[in-house]
Amino acid sequence: NAGVTQTPKFRILKIGQSMTLQCTQDMNHNYMYWYRQDPGMGLKLIYYSVGAGITDKGEVPNGYNVSRSTTEDFPLRLELAAPSQTSVYFCASSYGGNTEAFFGQGTRLTVV
Amino acid sequence: QQQVKQSPQSLIVQKGGIPIINCAYENTAFDYFPWYQQFPGKGPALLIAIRPDVSEKKEGRFTISFNKSAKQFSLHIMDSQPGDSATYFCAASTGLSGNTPLVFGKGTRLSVIA
Repeated sequence: NAGVTQTPKFRILKIGQSMTLQCTQDMNHNYMYWYRQDPGMGLKLIYYSVGAGITDKGEVPNGYNVSRSTTEDFPLRLELAAPSQTSVYFCASSYGGNTEAFFGQGTRLTVV
Repeated sequence: QQQVKQSPQSLIVQKGGIPIINCAYENTAFDYFPWYQQFPGKGPALLIAIRPDVSEKKEGRFTISFNKSAKQFSLHIMDSQPGDSATYFCAASTGLSGNTPLVFGKGTRLSVIA
């Protein structure tokens, strides 16, 4: 089982560039999440989705956009990359809001 | 504001010791309290979880203690081993109406020294 797959694993962006972080899950989970992890700051929720066609903002949504056109995919879009977006990004999925969440391996993004 | 407060930030114990990590929350609608373990370069993975209808849950060497009235829960690791060295995160969420998604504490970096 693949679980939650994130691509790419590493990326360096220049300020002002845009990119999409891909996330796909094969567990038929309803819920999907995007978190960013900064040293000593834990995991902060960027956006989440409770099902296809439904997305909602988390704690730190500014500078990001998401879409959820299918159950499996939940891409995260950065439109104008800024150094403050340098972080490790994790995608996760769960069947329900209060069930085990499975995480991908992360994408390490550096904006220079 | 931070919905789940975790302490300590870091912890060093001798092999065989019992590290304890504490978390506190404010939202009484939370009904799911998991602990995640993360090794360097990896994504977090569920270690153990508890729901508010019980005060304690054990899985192997890992125990969650839950105090609903104090809005606190903690992780105890019995007979800790060097392989337990990792970062531990507490979290909380609710699957009820309102659907508060999974929110995390800031993490505790545990080092178990032989």
